[in-house]
Amino acid sequence: GAGVSQSPRYKVAKRGQDVALRCDPISGHVSLFWYQQALGQGPEFLTYFQNEAQLDKSGLPSDRFFAERPEGSVSTLKIQRTQQEDSAVYLCASSRGLAGDEQFFGPGTRLTVL
Amino acid sequence: KQEVTQIPAALSVPEGENLVLNCSFTDSAIYNLQWFRQDPGKGLTSLLLIQSSQREQTSGRLNASLDKSSGRSTLYIAASQPGDSATYLCAVVTDSWGKFQFGAGTQVVVTP
Repeated sequence: GAGVSQSPRYKVAKRGQDVALRCDPISGHVSLFWYQQALGQGPEFLTYFQNEAQLDKSGLPSDRFFAERPEGSVSTLKIQRTQQEDSAVYLCASSRGLAGDEQFFGPGTRLTVL
Repeated sequence: KQEVTQIPAALSVPEGENLVLNCSFTDSAIYNLQWFRQDPGKGLTSLLLIQSSQREQTSGRLNASLDKSSGRSTLYIAASQPGDSATYLCAVVTDSWGKFQFGAGTQVVVTP
């Protein structure tokens, strides 16, 4: 595709609900990253995939957060039993796969937990 | 642990003035540094990517410098315009997979 896309763009959830956020990276990009951005802050790393392998999930804040990329393209970030502190913008980025490569970001999903 | 700091947190300038945005990082062992622009409610738009072996990059009115030894990068925007109003973020890559460490950003307002 022309760029990284994310859906939905906005999600409102009641506390305790499960949510699933989708990321479609640029076609052929090997690396895929998820970041969480709280209001007024820079994005914070959550997890990283190289193709379908999740190589780093050190940034996931709790075991309620789960990410997958089963076929090495589309990725889903799932949050179980959402809490108010999960309210943030979730950003997805992709790159060709080398550390020096430029990363391209999607528009993000704004999650609001009531 | 790598820490990235951006000063100032906010900046307001009249149209036509040059903008100088600062980014500092604590670990000089970086692969690259990237400057982004973020408009309210939007994702990140890449402005400039500087590899660790480079000293600067230029694109139009934008120029970014990198001094790894002192852990600093500066983004210059010449002849600012109201359309330059946005939050500017710098990010460094310090692992071989490309994971970013971001600063908190500088919010810029250019007044007509």
